[in-house]
Amino acid sequence: GAGVSQSPRYKVAKRGQDVALRCDPISGHVSLFWYQQALGQGPEFLTYFQNEAQLDKSGLPSDRFFAERPEGSVSTLKIQRTQQEDSAVYLCASSLTDRGTSPLHFGNGTRLTVT
Amino acid sequence: GNSVTQMEGPVTLSEEAFLTINCTYTATGYPSLFWYVQYPGEGLQLLLKATKADDKGSNKGFEATYRKETTSFHLEKGSVQVSDSAVYFCALSDRDLGKLTFGQGTILTVHP
Repeated sequence: GAGVSQSPRYKVAKRGQDVALRCDPISGHVSLFWYQQALGQGPEFLTYFQNEAQLDKSGLPSDRFFAERPEGSVSTLKIQRTQQEDSAVYLCASSLTDRGTSPLHFGNGTRLTVT
Repeated sequence: GNSVTQMEGPVTLSEEAFLTINCTYTATGYPSLFWYVQYPGEGLQLLLKATKADDKGSNKGFEATYRKETTSFHLEKGSVQVSDSAVYFCALSDRDLGKLTFGQGTILTVHP
């Protein structure tokens, strides 16, 4: 497809379980971003990749969150020992360049519910 | 740090009414400004953008002007339609990296 694809669409995890969320960006896009969107709020930045390099992870809320993009394409966001406060929609976005004028293309997100 | 403040919602209008959603920002440097829209059941989509002061972004009848002197980027549409019902997010990006900072979103509902 032409857009950013995220899987799974929905994920329910028991507190303490590990989860892995996948993002397939638009082919050829250099930049990849992960955002966390709590209910009724705007998305909040988690981390940023330029190709395979993770250049900014300042938004990751704790060391339980880990992201990778080993070949500069598909990315995985992993959350270890999930907590109820991790419940949110996790959005992936990609951009053709690494410049601030290039718009982000968002996936539909993964809705994570921790019970 | 960077921040974006949007007017509180939700906003409810009748079809063909005039729409304004206020957005102000705080940023270091010279950010680019964006409006994104999220239709029910869909992902965030870029609605319009402006990359420098006094630029006007426009799309689908929506407009917003980058006002550096008032640090604002208000969204306007002269005549809304039922199909415009969605959540609207104002955002700014760091000019060098493209990292977006979002407002909290404004829910718009348009009735026939």
